[in-house]
Amino acid sequence: QKEVEQNSGPLSVPEGAIASLNCTYSDRGSQSFFWYRQYSGKSPELIMFIYSNGDKEDGRFTAQLNKASQYVSLLIRDSQPSDSATYLCAGGEGNKLTFGTGTQLKVEL
Amino acid sequence: NAGVTQTPKFRILKIGQSMTLQCTQDMNHNYMYWYRQDPGMGLKLIYYSVGAGITDKGEVPNGYNVSRSTTEDFPLRLELAAPSQTSVYFCASSYSFATNEKLFFGSGTQLSVL
Repeated sequence: QKEVEQNSGPLSVPEGAIASLNCTYSDRGSQSFFWYRQYSGKSPELIMFIYSNGDKEDGRFTAQLNKASQYVSLLIRDSQPSDSATYLCAGGEGNKLTFGTGTQLKVEL
Repeated sequence: NAGVTQTPKFRILKIGQSMTLQCTQDMNHNYMYWYRQDPGMGLKLIYYSVGAGITDKGEVPNGYNVSRSTTEDFPLRLELAAPSQTSVYFCASSYSFATNEKLFFGSGTQLSVL
């Protein structure tokens, strides 16, 4: 059974701080990893994907992948109240994509 | 460009009733998917399709059926609704199965079976 595990949270951070979201996966064959943001009552939307070891930056977001440790993370710099949402980690491709249960992030004023 | 459109947004069914969740996309994507999301759980793949006339089971297909007669449409059929099918259903599409291919999601259907 392929698994993607996340801490459900909530993770609370003050506005302007760095939020760190973590994810571990069991399938060493997974090549790609995705971070989707899901606002309450809405559909998931892609924030970032990563498939190479190391860091990938896009604006305030940085995804990190460590295949040896089977670990993926998402850093959000200068967190804003609008970042408050559930963040879903997913690993794999196409019909083999496995989602984690999501981490709820709350950015407090 | 509407993207992925799902109907209805909400529905209440009685046990044993049947219904079809509609999904259509206007991006000319070959790949389409149906997921369900239970509270506090990750998205689970129900069925997927790689093109018109081709469908296959995902992780949780029991109690559901699909068809894909056109590239645009991918309806999900519940034949005998059960309380265990209470969930939020998302239709999604993608251009391919490539390693960096993103999923485009519809707005979801919240289904309650009572």
